[in-house]
Amino acid sequence: GAVVSQHPSRVICKSGTSVKIECRSLDFQATTMFWYRQFPKKSLMLMATSNEGSKATYEQGVEKDKFLINHASLTLSTLTVTSAHPEDSSFYICSAHNKDRGYGYTFGSGTRLTVV
Amino acid sequence: QKEVEQNSGPLSVPEGAIASLNCTYSDRGSQSFFWYRQYSGKSPELIMFIYSNGDKEDGRFTAQLNKASQYVSLLIRDSQPSDSATYLCAAGDGTSYGKLTFGQGTILTVHP
Repeated sequence: GAVVSQHPSRVICKSGTSVKIECRSLDFQATTMFWYRQFPKKSLMLMATSNEGSKATYEQGVEKDKFLINHASLTLSTLTVTSAHPEDSSFYICSAHNKDRGYGYTFGSGTRLTVV
Repeated sequence: QKEVEQNSGPLSVPEGAIASLNCTYSDRGSQSFFWYRQYSGKSPELIMFIYSNGDKEDGRFTAQLNKASQYVSLLIRDSQPSDSATYLCAAGDGTSYGKLTFGQGTILTVHP
């Protein structure tokens, strides 16, 4: 089955610092990766869509300069939260998709970010 | 604005009963529909997807899709306490890269 590795699983950082989250598809090539954010007891909110080798497409209201997304290869995408603030504390989840595999979307295990 | 609506619950059913979870969507262009289960503090895991009208069965789970009514449901037969989780309904936008819109989730509790 498809496996997506996401790390770190938990990170605590100080306000003003940057945090990088990695998402890797281990056994398939992800033509598209999605980054979501989930606040407690809320649903997943799509932040951005990234296709390998091209710029990410951000959802309305998501600051592209704050949430930097890089999709350098078909198996790796990174999300960097720059100048993090306490309100950025959330559960960040990536999802990888390969259009040639039909309707397969595989989620990473998520990253719990706490900004203090 | 594309929307996916679910009753947030909580839905409580006794062990062994059938749990029925419902979802409606606003975008008629949606082509594919997904049910995910999410345990607290974990990422969602796919239970089923459906893209044709009618029923689709997989073990104890049956997904039902009615595109005319813009309605998707998930039935869980012989519910177990381990099925207690939040169930997320998602609609795919039909594009080749498949962006999903999620509902707010329904909390299911199966009590012994």
